[in-house]
Amino acid sequence: GDSVTQTEGLVTLTEGLPVMLNCTYQTIYSNPFLFWYVQHLNESPRLLLKSFTDNKRTEHQGFHATLHKSSSSFHLQKSSAQLSDSALYYCALSDRYNQGKLIFGQGTKLSIKP
Amino acid sequence: DAGVTQTPRHEVAEKGQTIILKCEPVSGHNDLFWYRQTKIQGLELLSYFRSKSLMEDGGAFKDRFKAEMLNSSFSTLKIQPTEPKDSAVYLCASSRDRGTGQLYFGEGSKLTVL
Repeated sequence: GDSVTQTEGLVTLTEGLPVMLNCTYQTIYSNPFLFWYVQHLNESPRLLLKSFTDNKRTEHQGFHATLHKSSSSFHLQKSSAQLSDSALYYCALSDRYNQGKLIFGQGTKLSIKP
Repeated sequence: DAGVTQTPRHEVAEKGQTIILKCEPVSGHNDLFWYRQTKIQGLELLSYFRSKSLMEDGGAFKDRFKAEMLNSSFSTLKIQPTEPKDSAVYLCASSRDRGTGQLYFGEGSKLTVL
C-alpha cells in the first residue's frame, strides 16, 4: 500500500543552522501530491507547503521542498532555523486526483536551541 | 467561517466503555476525515467521507471504531468497547471536494482510557 517514511523522529539544531527533514514515499499513484504539515505545541496541524510537479521547488514561509519522483522524495529545507520553527512536521501523500485523502508519515519533531 | 469544531476536548473512560466523539466540519466542505494521533504512529487515517458517503473505514480500526456522518455538518466517531491502547488524540479534518488538497484540522479530542 501507499506509505510515507520520515526517518528522523527528532531533529535538534542550533538557531541559524540549516534545516533538512527527510521524507520518502511509496505509492501506486502515477501523479502523487506531496504535502508538508506543521503542528506547533497545543495547536492542530496546518498546511505548510505542497507540490505535484516533478523537480520544481516550492516555497512558503522560508521553507522549501522539491518533489523528486525519480527518488520518491520530498525533503523539507530551510536555510536558517529560527526558534519559532520548533514544531512537529508531517510529510503526507495523496493521489493528485483524489487530493482529499492524505497518508501521513510518522512525523519529525524539530527542536531549535538558542 | 468557523473552523472545524470537535467535542469533547478531553475524555477519560474506563476500559470497556463506549465513547462518542463529535465533529462539525467547516461549512461547505464536502470531505471529512478522522485521524488518530500518537507519538509512535503519527497520524493514522480512521475514516474518510466524501459528500457524506463513507469512502474508507480505516482497515485495522474497523472492529471497534465506527464513524458516521449524519448530515453534511456533523460527524461522530464511536469507539466500543474502549481499550487502554486507544488512548490518543483524535483529530477531525475537513476539506473542499477535489480542491486544493488542504485539510483543516480541529483542535482534537484527547482520549485517555484507564
